[in-house]
Amino acid sequence: GENVEQHPSTLSVQEGDSAVIKCTYSDSASNYFPWYKQELGKRPQLIIDIRSNVGEKKDQRIAVTLNKTAKHFSLHITETQPEDSAVYFCAARPGRRALTFGSGTRLQVQP
Amino acid sequence: GAGVSQSPSNKVTEKGKDVELRCDPISGHTALYWYRQSLGQGLEFLIYFQGNSAPDKSGLPSDRFSAERTGGSVSTLTIQRTQQEDSAVYLCASSLDGSGTGELFFGEGSRLTVL
Repeated sequence: GENVEQHPSTLSVQEGDSAVIKCTYSDSASNYFPWYKQELGKRPQLIIDIRSNVGEKKDQRIAVTLNKTAKHFSLHITETQPEDSAVYFCAARPGRRALTFGSGTRLQVQP
Repeated sequence: GAGVSQSPSNKVTEKGKDVELRCDPISGHTALYWYRQSLGQGLEFLIYFQGNSAPDKSGLPSDRFSAERTGGSVSTLTIQRTQQEDSAVYLCASSLDGSGTGELFFGEGSRLTVL
């Protein structure tokens, strides 16, 4: 099955700086790559996603990039704010099979 | 319904007992997932139901774990002869369809503690 690796496991940045989280996947059939944010004690929620026919997608301060050849994708958060502090999960899905998540990155934005 | 509903929210049980966890997905959602999240850890895939297709059980950690989905709606995850390592939050999620690109909506989870 699909295997998703995520780095780093923890990330601390100063407010206003950028944060980058990277993921790699194993199954070349994967064609959908969402990112979920889980605040402390809350359920995971989708923040952005990208499909395999697109190399980059941006939504305000958040952007995702995808390199299908290298099988990796990244989340970029610019101008970080304290409310960005949370655990972020990347995921990959081959076709209609199950969505597999990475191990998560705990982002701490220092005010 | 307003969202994915899970019950119980908390369950404390003794080692060796069986437990049942329930998930009521968003009405009309054909895809349903179970994930397990141990303290401070990631989202471990357990099982996936899509419409009338055979479920993907590839993530179930042992034969003590089973799940069913009745009438394409409510799902029950059963853990038999619970062990301490089964302690975790069990999250259910549903999606509008199984096209592969639908957003997953998660429930609040069922926190299981095995003493």
